[in-house]
Amino acid sequence: GAVVSQHPSRVICKSGTSVKIECRSLDFQATTMFWYRQFPKQSLMLMATSNEGSKATYEQGVEKDKFLINHASLTLSTLTVTSAHPEDSSFYICSARSRLAGADTQYFGPGTRLTVL
Amino acid sequence: AQTVTQSQPEMSVQEAETVTLSCTYDTSESNYYLFWYKQPPSRQMILVIRQEAYKQQNATENRFSVNFQKAAKSFSLKISDSQLGDTAMYFCAFMNPAVTSYDKVIFGPGTSLSVIP
Repeated sequence: GAVVSQHPSRVICKSGTSVKIECRSLDFQATTMFWYRQFPKQSLMLMATSNEGSKATYEQGVEKDKFLINHASLTLSTLTVTSAHPEDSSFYICSARSRLAGADTQYFGPGTRLTVL
Repeated sequence: AQTVTQSQPEMSVQEAETVTLSCTYDTSESNYYLFWYKQPPSRQMILVIRQEAYKQQNATENRFSVNFQKAAKSFSLKISDSQLGDTAMYFCAFMNPAVTSYDKVIFGPGTSLSVIP
């Protein structure tokens, strides 16, 4: 089956630093990847849609300059949280749309827990 | 705009019994997909079942089945012979491929299901 990985699974950083999270589709090519944020006991909130070779599409209210997204290849998208602050602490999840599967198939990574001190 | 509602924040069921989780959605589109995702304590999102709106037959996957009522915009999930491993958050989700070429998925708020031994 389609597998999506995320790295790191957990990261702790100091306020003001930047953190990069990687999302990889391991056994399929993903033209589109999605980045979500999830607060405890809440649903997934879509932050942005990442398209290979083009600029990401951000959801309303998501700061483009703070959450930098790069989709450099068909198997890799990165989310960089710049100048992180404690309020950025959250669980970040990526998903990838399989090019071979039907349009209704998204596969999720295991998530990254970010803690900003 | 499409919305997804899950009116049961928490539910519990005895092991081996049957439980039904409710979901309603709002859309003016006729072609779309509906999903149930499971998020266990590991927080890995797992696709449980999917339904294409143009199919009248309810989808089934082993112990999981749905009751799709298109006119009522209802999409409930039935779990038969509940097992301890079914304990998780369950998210109902909607996708309309016509709205955006990027197949954005809209999630409901979730239902926390506990299976009691």
